Order: sequence, then structure tokens, then C-alpha cells
Amino acid sequence: SQKIEQNSEALNIQEGKTATLTCNYTNYSPAYLQWYRQDPGRGPVFLLLIRENEKEKRKERLKVTFDTTLKQSLFHITASQPADSATYLCATSGTYKYIFGTGTRLKVLA
Amino acid sequence: GAVVSQHPSWVICKSGTSVKIECRSLDFQATTMFWYRQFPKQSLMLMATSNEGSKATYEQGVEKDKFLINHASLTLSTLTVTSAHPEDSSFYICSAGVRGALTGELFFGEGSRLTVL
Repeated sequence: SQKIEQNSEALNIQEGKTATLTCNYTNYSPAYLQWYRQDPGRGPVFLLLIRENEKEKRKERLKVTFDTTLKQSLFHITASQPADSATYLCATSGTYKYIFGTGTRLKVLA
Repeated sequence: GAVVSQHPSWVICKSGTSVKIECRSLDFQATTMFWYRQFPKQSLMLMATSNEGSKATYEQGVEKDKFLINHASLTLSTLTVTSAHPEDSSFYICSAGVRGALTGELFFGEGSRLTVL
């Protein structure tokens, strides 16, 4: 079945460093991948979408890559700040519904 | 971006009562809305896909008589948890996409925390 995996359940990094989160997909070839941020007790917020024919996409301090050979998307936050601490979800659309990864809880230490 | 409003943000009820959660798209029309349930430190679990003017499509294992979904207009979908029990306590989130059912980004409501005593 179509599946998305975010292997790191939690990630702690020091303020100012670059955080890199990984999303792997199996058993299909998505046309695009999305990344969302979710704060505790809140609904997810859309951050970025990258299509299969795009290698890289940027938005301010955020960068997303899409490697169809590795079946993987990487999500980078440069110059990370404590305010970036949250859970980050990757997602894509399957046959009839959106498929979400389990998320990575990022904590940026001051 | 598009705004999805969800109400109430939290509700506490007694076991056996019913609770209704509303999900509104404020600045766009949503022919399809999705209802999710989320347990602590877990990802989103799709419960059902709500289609305007037709019956909702429920995921396997989700009781449609327990979780009633109504999508009567292009801007409003409701989830009613009937005869709620403590095991129904959870975080419920709705979402909709501007560009159609499975195209582009999803916009989520703020979520509704249900506690059943």
C-alpha cells in the first residue's frame, strides 16, 4: 500500500544550526510532496509543496528537495530558532485521500 | 492563504451525550472536506471524506452511525459524535483544499479537543 515514513520521531538541534528532516515514500510515485507544521493542540499549517519535476524549492529559511531516485524528500530549516520547535509532517495525495507521515518533533535548543 | 474555521475548539461532555463540531471554509468553497482524528504524539488518522450534497465516505473501522457527518453547503461540514464515551476523547481536525479534492495543499481548522467524562 502507499506509504510515507518519517523515520525520526524527534530531533533536537542547537539554535542557529540547520535542521534536516527526512520523508521517504514507498509503493508509488507521488506527483508532489507537501510539508506541514503542527504546533501542540493546533491544526497543521501548510508550509511548502514540491512537485516531482522540481528538485528544490525554497521559502525564506525553508528548503525542500525531492529525489525521485531515492524516493525521498528532505526538509531543511536554516538558522533555526526556538520558535521553529514544532512537529513537521510530510504528506502527499494517494489514490483517493491524502497520506500523512507520522511527523518529526523538532526542538530547537537556545 | 485560505481559512478554515472549526468550532468549538474544546468541549467537555458527559458520557452518552452527543457533540457537534462545525467546520467552515471562510473565504472559499469546499466541495470536499476531510475529518481527522489525532491521538497524542501520533499522526493524523483520516476518519471520513465529506462531500457536499452527498453521503460521506468513511474509512475502514470508523463507525458511520457513531460519527455522523453532514456537508450541507459548500462552506460547512459538521461532525456529530453520537452517544459519546470516554474512548471517543480525542483531538478532531477538519481540512479542505481550495483546488479540489486531492489537488494542492490542505487548509486545516484549529482542531477540536473532545473530552468525554
